[in-house]
Amino acid sequence: KAGVTQTPRYLIKTRGQQVTLSCSPISGHRSVSWYQQTPGQGLQFLFEYFSETQRNKGNFPGRFSGRQFSNSRSEMNVSTLELGDSALYLCASSPGTSGRGADTQYFGPGTRLTVL
Amino acid sequence: AQSVTQPDIHITVSEGASLELRCNYSYGATPYLFWYVQSPGQGLQLLLKYFSGDTLVQGIKGFEAEFKRSQSSFNLRKPSVHWSDAAEYFCAVGTDTDKLIFGTGTRLQVFP
Repeated sequence: KAGVTQTPRYLIKTRGQQVTLSCSPISGHRSVSWYQQTPGQGLQFLFEYFSETQRNKGNFPGRFSGRQFSNSRSEMNVSTLELGDSALYLCASSPGTSGRGADTQYFGPGTRLTVL
Repeated sequence: AQSVTQPDIHITVSEGASLELRCNYSYGATPYLFWYVQSPGQGLQLLLKYFSGDTLVQGIKGFEAEFKRSQSSFNLRKPSVHWSDAAEYFCAVGTDTDKLIFGTGTRLQVFP
């Protein structure tokens, strides 16, 4: 099976712009989670989607949003970019058949976002 | 609330030496426990996981971890480290009803 894919791999944006990141989960997986990784804050949970519904959300401002499509592909959007949004954004997929934290998550390579 | 602590931010070992990375969790019930590894610029790769049963879990790349309920620990071990093991290691805890929580990571450096 193909792994989790994320596009694009690298992005450079300027403050105030918005950005959309895409994630294609492993075939058959219904849950997609997004994480922000920075040197200072480590891995921080953004949100999780299961069957097109957001079922868990981290402590991020409303500028961060996401959605999931019927084929389980997911996108996350960040509006009004700030310098502090520069990070590696990781997507993880899981079958979604177990309890939320019990599912094994499989990670994509990430999208490196740089905000200038 | 559940939490995960990795006390060691950075560990340095010589190639061929044994390795133990510490992980402590805080949760009322037995959680689901994971170890992931991340190479620079890459995503996280699952090394092993513990759900129930045998408390000694074998993973990929020669790693193993032992769940000790009395100590609320899930330490990762490898008998002989290779230079390619240099990476960052994350412990994570999950439950049936809540999201996965990651520790802050331990960076492993391997000297020849």
